Parts: sequence; structure tokens; C-alpha cells
Amino acid sequence: EDKVVQSPLSLVVHEGDTVTLNCSYEVTNFRSLLWYKQEKKAPTFLFMLTSSGIEKKSGRLSSILDKKELFSILNITATQTGDSAVYLCAVEAYGNQFYFGTGTSLTVIP
Amino acid sequence: GAVVSQHPSRVICKSGTSVKIECRSLDFQATTMFWYRQFPKQSLMLMATSNEGSKATYEQGVEKDKFLINHASLTLSTLTVTSAHPEDSSFYICSARLGQADAKAFFGQGTRLTVV
Repeated sequence: EDKVVQSPLSLVVHEGDTVTLNCSYEVTNFRSLLWYKQEKKAPTFLFMLTSSGIEKKSGRLSSILDKKELFSILNITATQTGDSAVYLCAVEAYGNQFYFGTGTSLTVIP
Repeated sequence: GAVVSQHPSRVICKSGTSVKIECRSLDFQATTMFWYRQFPKQSLMLMATSNEGSKATYEQGVEKDKFLINHASLTLSTLTVTSAHPEDSSFYICSARLGQADAKAFFGQGTRLTVV
């Protein structure tokens, strides 16, 4: 059964902390792994990862994929209250099928 | 960033009626949009691929006469659930891609359909 598992389910940190969110997957016909930030509106696209070992970076956020061990991490450094959200990991299989994790709820306390 | 707007976010309708769900790409042209349905405890299952100006391509097992998809412009695709039944109650979500070969997918906020 194809699945995506995120951990932890929730996380509370103080501003300035660094957090690491985990996403492991078992998906046949893997095409890409995507990270989204879910706030009040639709999931906002953050990163798309297709190759192992290549870090994607955007400001204080970065992500990397390990296709051998079947996981990805999303790092957020120097967290701010605006980073509070649910972070979704999704794996796309060929055939336009998406498998979403349950998300990690991040709360950043001032 | 690219924004996909889906409307309505929630709808309740009576059995036998039809419901239309809109999916708009607000700041980019989406030649291809996708419609998904979420089943309990499952991730998003593709229903159909919607190409602007042509007929949608439906996945196996999806009734094309029941789930009418129209992609009239590069920024709008609609899904109409016809003669809705309680078993059609679900969460429907659309996504759009920036280009044919670009795998980045941008999702709408989804529509919770309840058929009573």
C-alpha cells in the first residue's frame, strides 16, 4: 500500500529555534516529492524534489531527498511566528497520483 | 507564487441535483488542470485530466457522464457533479501545472461536497 508518513505530528518551538520535519514514503512509480505549507488557504508550494542528495533552499527553508532510504526532511532555521502552519509532504507517482502525509503542525511561540 | 482558487469551499445539495465546482488559476495560465477526489483514509485519487479547449481524460472507473469537466479557458476549469447521490459526498480538489513538463503542482483549497 502506497503511503506517506510525516513526523512529528505536531511541534511547538520558540522563535529563533531550528526545526526539522520528516517525511518518509513508500510509493511505487515515484516521480517527485513535494513540500507544501498549509495555512488558511490552499497548500502553498514550497519545494519539489526529484533527485537524491541535492538540497533545495529558499530563504530560511531547505529540503533534501534520500531516494535510497525513502525520506525527505524540511529544515526551517531561525523560526518566526509566521512559520506557524501545517507542513504537508506529498509524493507524486507517475500517472498524476498524489499521496499526502497527514502533515506536521508547527507552532512558533514568540 | 502561483495561486489556484477553488469555489465553493463547502456545498450541501439534495440528492438528484447538480453541483458545479470552479477551479481558477489566478496568476498564471494552466493548460492542464487536474481533478481529484479524496476517499476516507486515502490520499487524493485522480479523477480526470482537464486540457484547455479539449475533452477531459477520465481515469478508469470515473463516470464521465456523471462528473462533467469543462476547461473553457486557460484559467478556468469546472467540475459538475450531475444527479448527485449521497455516495458522491466527498472532498474534491483541483490542481494546476505551470507547463506540460513542469511537475510543480499547485492546489486549490478543495470543496467539501455533502449530498443529503
